[in-house]
Amino acid sequence: DIVLTQSPLSLPVTPGEPASISCRSSQSLMHGNGYNYLDWYLQKPGQSPQLLIYMGSNRASGVPDRFSSSGSGTDFTLKISRVEAEDVGVYYCMQVLQIPITFGQGTRLEIK
Amino acid sequence: QVQLVQSGAEVRKPGASVNVSCKSSGYIFTDYGFTWVRQAPGQGLEWMGWISPYSGHTNYAQNFRDRVTMTTDTSTSRAYMELRNLRSDDTAIYYCARVVGNYNVLTGYYDRARFDPWGQGTLVSVSS
Repeated sequence: DIVLTQSPLSLPVTPGEPASISCRSSQSLMHGNGYNYLDWYLQKPGQSPQLLIYMGSNRASGVPDRFSSSGSGTDFTLKISRVEAEDVGVYYCMQVLQIPITFGQGTRLEIK
Repeated sequence: QVQLVQSGAEVRKPGASVNVSCKSSGYIFTDYGFTWVRQAPGQGLEWMGWISPYSGHTNYAQNFRDRVTMTTDTSTSRAYMELRNLRSDDTAIYYCARVVGNYNVLTGYYDRARFDPWGQGTLVSVSS
């Protein structure tokens, strides 16, 4: 199975400041078609997860442009340019290259 | 809008079975897959498998292969997940989600998959 390792596991951020979350994969997530098979989700407190980014770098519908993702192969980074209070929650990366689908362990973003 | 509404919380004893439903609306039912993901208390996300309402083909995670059955009912636009022989460590919130991706009928694999949206979750508690 592909193992995804996120860091940090906890991320306190001051509103208006940037934030970055790393997701490293035990295998390359680059498909032969050139796409990276990695998605990002946010689970806000008390809610279901919601899709943020798919196929490495594509923002889902309705996701603010302060969210972006970069990286390729085994190393990926989710970036929030200016954190807002509504961004608190647990962020998960997920690989969709191979069955079983696997998730990172999650990164909890909190407001300082 | 696209919406997934799950059935209510369930309490079961060890060894019993549970069936969780997920009603979809706002899109053509057979055009997308369903996946099930669970989350134990205070823990992360664990993928259980997915199903194509178009073909009925399923793909289960190895951890659940002998205890889970996923089905769909086109007439009611519902997906179902049955988990059998429940144990205390099956206590979790079970989420359904729509699978968006390119379905391969031959392999049962959703290429370029993403899960969007998710249902509200169903708490399944297993205790003697």
